[in-house]
Amino acid sequence: DAKTTQPPSMDCAEGRAANLPCNHSTISGNEYVYWYRQIHSQGPQYIIHGLKNNETNEMASLIITEDRKSSTLILPHATLRDTAVYYCIVRVTDKLIFGTGTRLQVFP
Amino acid sequence: DAGVTQSPTHLIKTRGQHVTLRCSPISGHKSVSWYQQVLGQGPQFIFQYYEKEERGRGNFPDRFSARQFPNYSSELNVNALLLGDSALYLCASSGTNYGYTFGSGTRLTVV
Repeated sequence: DAKTTQPPSMDCAEGRAANLPCNHSTISGNEYVYWYRQIHSQGPQYIIHGLKNNETNEMASLIITEDRKSSTLILPHATLRDTAVYYCIVRVTDKLIFGTGTRLQVFP
Repeated sequence: DAGVTQSPTHLIKTRGQHVTLRCSPISGHKSVSWYQQVLGQGPQFIFQYYEKEERGRGNFPDRFSARQFPNYSSELNVNALLLGDSALYLCASSGTNYGYTFGSGTRLTVV
């Protein structure tokens, strides 16, 4: 069973920040949150992951609430190529539990 | 460096047949996982292998089996194919930094 809940779709204007929310209220203390995206049924592409602290890399930032029950993926300057399905995932031992994802549409 | 390689890329099989899908992990990665993605849904975990041993199994029937070879490549086998087995089958390899890299998948169509 999925451990994450995401809105099914979101829109974002090109050049603006895209903020994708995720609820994972049943997450356990040692379970990581991962974000992947998938374009046109290609293999999922890794974006970022974290446990407790906020994380940032060249692609995105991950903000995790203090109680760890929710997180937000931030794409700081969305481009048309960021249009994809974004999955918020909880890693349970060595398996990734995917939800249904958010379809992000970036428009000009 | 080559990423995760899966073969074949596309496959059409008839109900009742058997299929073998193959995966080569990133060099140095000892763990391989398999996922099934039905159209419109997120990937679902099938198996995980590490150092040739099964470390995890998802909620799939016994018709699904897998193995990992000494070079860490892996095969996923599905027997007695059903129409509902039509899906994108994804392989992911991981090393020691908790990162999982997915291949492009094998698109299986059962007719």
